[in-house]
Amino acid sequence: SQQGEEDPQALSIQEGENATMNCSYKTSINNLQWYRQNSGRGLVHLILIRSNEREKHSGRLRVTLDTSKKSSSLLITASRAADTASYFCATDAGGSEKLVFGKGTKLTVNP
Amino acid sequence: NAGVTQTPKFQVLKTGQSMTLQCAQDMNHEYMSWYRQDPGMGLRLIHYSVGAGITDQGEVPNGYNVSRSTTEDFPLRLLSAAPSQTSVYFCASTLLAGDQETQYFGPGTRLLVL
Repeated sequence: SQQGEEDPQALSIQEGENATMNCSYKTSINNLQWYRQNSGRGLVHLILIRSNEREKHSGRLRVTLDTSKKSSSLLITASRAADTASYFCATDAGGSEKLVFGKGTKLTVNP
Repeated sequence: NAGVTQTPKFQVLKTGQSMTLQCAQDMNHEYMSWYRQDPGMGLRLIHYSVGAGITDQGEVPNGYNVSRSTTEDFPLRLLSAAPSQTSVYFCASTLLAGDQETQYFGPGTRLLVL
């Protein structure tokens, strides 16, 4: 079964609004990463948060991690049309050497 | 623009030796990162940097050091090479939360540690 599962599967908002995406996972982790993928292009690493961290910021991105609930959220503030992409969370699935990706949230930011 | 350049392309080390993998980009990207790719596995993040003077550890940082004294350069140092560090190393850069949508990868450095 999927280690990381994003919620919602699809999200459509207006430019300037905030977008929140959630990720849940099943096993213990050492870290959780968020990636972005634009249509037809490769993955772009956004941010990594370790299991002993609760919140991390990078530009307009804010990531939280709740290990007790096995969940993470990615908040994009003041969204732009250029933020339109699919967003994936990825975990190391209990410290294994393999990065396991969720199915992604497709974000559409309307101008 | 040359994009992302890496040197050397191939290197053989003996266990315990140290070396620096060079990475440079001429696109004025803020964000740079180092990955290693092992057979049958996806990319694993070693270290990354969100700008000059700022570095952070990725998923597999042990045995590696980085520095970011300039926007252009992001060298990766192996302090004491081990056979487990035999891998292909990719450097990448991208604009941080900007309009650029593509992460640019270098051609890779193939490292063999005996």
